Amino acid sequence: AQSVTQPDIHITVSEGASLELRCNYSYGATPYLFWYVQSPGQGLQLLLKYFSGDTLVQGIKGFEAEFKRSQSSFNLRKPSVHWSDAAEYFCAVEAGQGGKLIFGQGTELSVKP
Amino acid sequence: DSGVTQTPKHLITATGQRVTLRCSPRSGDLSVYWYQQSLDQGLQFLIQYYNGEERAKGNILERFSAQQFPDLHSELNLSSLELGDSALYFCASSVGRGWDEQYFGPGTRLTVT
Repeated sequence: AQSVTQPDIHITVSEGASLELRCNYSYGATPYLFWYVQSPGQGLQLLLKYFSGDTLVQGIKGFEAEFKRSQSSFNLRKPSVHWSDAAEYFCAVEAGQGGKLIFGQGTELSVKP
Repeated sequence: DSGVTQTPKHLITATGQRVTLRCSPRSGDLSVYWYQQSLDQGLQFLIQYYNGEERAKGNILERFSAQQFPDLHSELNLSSLELGDSALYFCASSVGRGWDEQYFGPGTRLTVT
């Protein structure tokens, strides 16, 4: 069955430090992968997506992610974190007939001043 | 702002009652998806409609139903409500019948007392 695992429930980084959020997926075919961000009390905002092609994808707000088929991973990175990046981040794979999203459990990011 | 609107923002109701959540997709989008976000289950896909027709079904209870109208807005009906139905309900929309980017609304927070 398709699934997404985000191993880190909570991560704290200092402002200005680099960030990497991990995501592992289980899917039989070539996956469509996404990262979303959810600020407190807000909906989910699409950060970036991978459909095919270049395995390093760029998104909004300075985020990027790298698709590694051999490791079934799609990790999210940012070179320098800002306090406004504090939020919950969800990795998702698109699956099934209608392309429903299967989400990981989320990683909550805290940013220290 | 994703362009997807949801009403109401908050809803408080009693067990056994019935409520209707409303969603208007982004202009031009033909698919509407409903998701439930709860602390214990995380983000779960409920159902998808494409151009008025049900396209995919997920973990949606029999007490829940949805429809998409000719103007493409969608409603999610929840009946015989239980305490465990308290959650954030998100609507998302996409251009095609699936396998493309989904844009999320701000959600409706349902509290069942």
